[in-house]
Amino acid sequence: DADVTQTPRNRITKTGKRIMLECSQTKGHDRMYWYRQDPGLGLRLIYYSFDVKDINKGEISDGYSVSRQAQAKFSLSLESAIPNQTALYFCATSGYSNNQPQHFGDGTRLSIL
Amino acid sequence: GQSLEQPSEVTAVEGAIVQINCTYQTSGFYGLSWYQQHDGGAPTFLSYNALDGLEETGRFSSFLSRSDSYGYLLLQELQMKDSASYFCAVGRYTGRRALTFGSGTRLQVQP
Repeated sequence: DADVTQTPRNRITKTGKRIMLECSQTKGHDRMYWYRQDPGLGLRLIYYSFDVKDINKGEISDGYSVSRQAQAKFSLSLESAIPNQTALYFCATSGYSNNQPQHFGDGTRLSIL
Repeated sequence: GQSLEQPSEVTAVEGAIVQINCTYQTSGFYGLSWYQQHDGGAPTFLSYNALDGLEETGRFSSFLSRSDSYGYLLLQELQMKDSASYFCAVGRYTGRRALTFGSGTRLQVQP
């Protein structure tokens, strides 16, 4: 089983719909992240959480919200989806130390029509 | 301001050596990481440098010069399976520690 699991893997929806992307992990990490990836733009940080009571905005948080339901679960919501939020979304986790690598899920490909 | 630059594409032949450079300008810098991503896959961690110098992990090495705000990833004995995108990521402290990723370098290994 994957250490970092994202659901769904693919989603097509319409403008204005509310969408939730879910991430769960079995690595026991406190730190969890949500990124989006667009062609040619690399990975951009949306939100991150260092524990259940700690939520921080990343560089592109507008239009998104998150919920850290438990140490192992971190969900990303698009309250009213718009076409320019079409992208590949990744969840990642990491341990406490600076040198700890981030471990990524397989991604959710989201298309908004 | 902040910037993170790496070449968009690099091409090399099997068995060769390739160097992917990364220059950055940022506040709160604490380290430089490298990640590999194959088409359709998730990014995977390759290396991390917090101090100046070279870190070696098998065929891959990573270098950092904090004074020059510069690092590179060196891939030796290239194999076809090394064809992928490579991202440098700066660790920044802005009250919390987080990574900022570059746009990625697409490496094409040819026979």
